[in-house]
Amino acid sequence: NAGVTQTPKFRILKIGQSMTLQCTQDMNHNYMYWYRQDPGMGLKLIYYSVGAGITDKGEVPNGYNVSRSTTEDFPLRLELAAPSQTSVYFCASSPRDSATSPLHFGNGTRLTVT
Amino acid sequence: GQQVMQIPQYQHVQEGEDFTTYCNSSTTLSNIQWYKQRPGGHPVFLIQLVKSGEVKKQKRLTFQFGEAKKNSSLHITATQTTDVGTYFCAGTNAGGTSYGKLTFGQGTILTVHP
Repeated sequence: NAGVTQTPKFRILKIGQSMTLQCTQDMNHNYMYWYRQDPGMGLKLIYYSVGAGITDKGEVPNGYNVSRSTTEDFPLRLELAAPSQTSVYFCASSPRDSATSPLHFGNGTRLTVT
Repeated sequence: GQQVMQIPQYQHVQEGEDFTTYCNSSTTLSNIQWYKQRPGGHPVFLIQLVKSGEVKKQKRLTFQFGEAKKNSSLHITATQTTDVGTYFCAGTNAGGTSYGKLTFGQGTILTVHP
């Protein structure tokens, strides 16, 4: 049981480039989330999804897009990378909403934009 | 919006000393979750508290949820080097739609000196 898998683990982008951070889970969880983690700032919610075909903005959605075509996959798209998007990105999933069930996190993607 | 403040930001202890981190919310919470993140790792769920005044123990770790459901604490008795990491609290706002609204504190970074 792999849990939540994120790829790539590391990436360096030039300003203005685009990329997709991949996230897949094999636990059949309906809820999936994207967080970014900056030093001393905790985790900030970027986007979340409550099921296939349904996505919604979190606290810091600007500069990102998501899609949820299947239960398993929840990719995060950066269209025009900016230095402010340098961060560690975590994908997470849960079987029910976060008020009643814990989040299972992937190993993270460390992104640097220069 | 909802804010979850966590103190202290850093804590250095000698092995065997006790450690406490505190979490305060600007709003009443429906639940509080605690996560541990080892250096270079991803957050791992420790526990969830739901009831007012609830106290739960996991070996040397004691978790409390305040009577007003606006604050929480994590206490570690006799720290060990394996306790090193960042401890996060995360709460969901009581009332309204709760899914996707788990707000993380900034985390407390614990260093244990052998």
